[in-house]
Amino acid sequence: QKEVEQDPGPLSVPEGAIVSLNCTYSNSAFQYFMWYRQYSRKGPELLMYTYSSGNKEDGRFTAQVDKSSKYISLFIRDSQPSDSATYLCAMIDPGGDKIIFGKGTRLHILP
Amino acid sequence: DTGVSQDPRHKITKRGQNVTFRCDPISEHNRLYWYRQTLGQGPEFLTYFQNEAQLEKSRLLSDRFSAERPKGSFSTLEIQRTEQGDSAMYLCASSFRLGVNTEAFFGQGTRLTVV
Repeated sequence: QKEVEQDPGPLSVPEGAIVSLNCTYSNSAFQYFMWYRQYSRKGPELLMYTYSSGNKEDGRFTAQVDKSSKYISLFIRDSQPSDSATYLCAMIDPGGDKIIFGKGTRLHILP
Repeated sequence: DTGVSQDPRHKITKRGQNVTFRCDPISEHNRLYWYRQTLGQGPEFLTYFQNEAQLEKSRLLSDRFSAERPKGSFSTLEIQRTEQGDSAMYLCASSFRLGVNTEAFFGQGTRLTVV
């Protein structure tokens, strides 16, 4: 079992819809959870950063962490065509030495 | 400081040739990471430096790969005797020690194609 599991998609939704992206993980020692956005042929950029369980909101983006289920989510409200990208969930390994990524979910927002 | 810079952006090389990539991190960051990303996959950790010391290497980093960070500033990643399976995006990132409110910033990557 990989440490971080993420459905690669692609996921296509109409503009304005709410998007839900998810990851599961196996290591209960993970404490720091992130979502990165990656446009085609670009490097990843950090969207959301969450410590331990709970919710965090930033504009149209909400990140949720459920440590009891080892499940993290990213919600995008009022989705826009410019949100079309690959979304990578990521966690910092317990030693704080590296970031472990999921496969990424390709998202297409249809105008 | 405009962020993490990688050079070149693209490299096409023939199988068996050696290639070297350069990464210039954000100047005040003491940590520098190298990742590899293939199509449809997330970035996979290769190695990281704290200042000039290389502290961890992934099993993905075969003997043909070597990374350096002289003087704790820029870093180079060299691949010797390239193989077609080395074709990928090579990403560099820099940060302070990872933890609460500490972000790793990624460069735009070097896309390697081995023909």
